Amino acid sequence: SAVISQKPSRDICQRGTSLTIQCQVDSQVTMMFWYRQQPGQSLTLIATANQGSEATYESGFVIDKFPISRPNLTFSTLTVSNMSPEDSSIYLCSVTQGLGEQYFGPGTRLTVT
Amino acid sequence: GENVEQHPSTLSVQEGDSAVIKCTYSDSASNYFPWYKQELGKRPQLIIDIRSNVGEKKDQRIAVTLNKTAKHFSLHITETQPEDSAVYFCAASIRGGATNKLIFGTGTLLAVQP
Repeated sequence: SAVISQKPSRDICQRGTSLTIQCQVDSQVTMMFWYRQQPGQSLTLIATANQGSEATYESGFVIDKFPISRPNLTFSTLTVSNMSPEDSSIYLCSVTQGLGEQYFGPGTRLTVT
Repeated sequence: GENVEQHPSTLSVQEGDSAVIKCTYSDSASNYFPWYKQELGKRPQLIIDIRSNVGEKKDQRIAVTLNKTAKHFSLHITETQPEDSAVYFCAASIRGGATNKLIFGTGTLLAVQP
């Protein structure tokens, strides 16, 4: 499977600020997704990162809060904007390969104080 | 909307025993059902998956069964070992535009007692 990296691995941020998380894949992939995993919870899809077009957001997530870029087939960014403590979570990117299997990056642990 | 229910939320077994985790999905168009294992502080890892044209799939000590009529699928782990202890998530594909997205169950914390 593809090697997926994320930066940063963790960060502590002040409320009202923004953080951009990067996801890099070592090979071209068709689909990239961004998920949120709150402590002790399951994975919730934030959006599908579309190459060359606007991301597709799930219900409850909006572009102003979580802008996403995907400039090419190996890279995407997720920005968490105007953060509040409720945004403290693990953010994971994932990619699809082969027949649609999804593989996850290592995650970014965000704490908002 | 679409959802995936997963049971039990916690499961404790003795080493060597079998463990079974069950999921139910709501979208009749779902056709892909992966299972992920997540160890503490690690990323979810794909351990096995099954597609709608297959009723059962096995890989060494793990197997997955699918009942499309009842919209149920299950993960079976035999001869459990302490290293099987983790949170397990089931997921089901849902059609979202040009691609199948995944919706995840709530997770099962499996503890294998040595």
